[in-house]
Amino acid sequence: EVQLLESGGDLVQPGGSLRLSCTASGFTFNNYAMNWVRQAPGKGLEWVSGLSGGGEITYYADSVKGRFTISRDNSKNTLYLQMSSLRADDTAVYYCAKARGLGIAAAVNYWGRGTLVTVSS
Amino acid sequence: DIQMTQSPSSLSASVGDRVTITCRASQGISNYLAWYQQKPGRVPKLLIYGASTLQSGVPSRFSGSGSGTVFTLTLNSLQPEDVATYYCQKYNSAPLTFGQGTRLEIK
Repeated sequence: EVQLLESGGDLVQPGGSLRLSCTASGFTFNNYAMNWVRQAPGKGLEWVSGLSGGGEITYYADSVKGRFTISRDNSKNTLYLQMSSLRADDTAVYYCAKARGLGIAAAVNYWGRGTLVTVSS
Repeated sequence: DIQMTQSPSSLSASVGDRVTITCRASQGISNYLAWYQQKPGRVPKLLIYGASTLQSGVPSRFSGSGSGTVFTLTLNSLQPEDVATYYCQKYNSAPLTFGQGTRLEIK
């Protein structure tokens, strides 16, 4: 059974940093691209970032480019999102999301339960 | 970047009705289109990928069609458990943009 477990969400001040983690199990982690998708309170889904199965190719939404860094450790079956220069509009539930294929051009077929990031003073 | 626009933003229908949601891409995306269902308080769930391929385990009353710039999600014989917000997403290339969502309620 595929499981994705996010952690690291917290209350952080504007301008601060945070690192999210997602531990995966139930599938061959390095065979699949992974994504981060967020959802602000009461709002829709927003794709944040993605990277290929081997971690060589990364992509970012314009809203986070230059502030967030996605990475993965395939030896630990773990996906990361390093977030810096956080702003109030980064407040959201962040979902770890597994793609159907090795490359990023694939739909998401599994989602974690999400971790809440709140940016506020 | 390619924009994804869903219509309507919300709709209300009766149990047993046929419901159609449309998703339009600002540029052609071939069939790189997925539909997700998010029930209140729940995690999103993949319904359809490749514009028309039903994800395993999804009831056959759900179907998808379209290619290029116009796509539709159809629910035949609406059930009470279908109350949810539905999102389309394009995934041909980054950014993997979602539509704004369509909220479906039961009359």
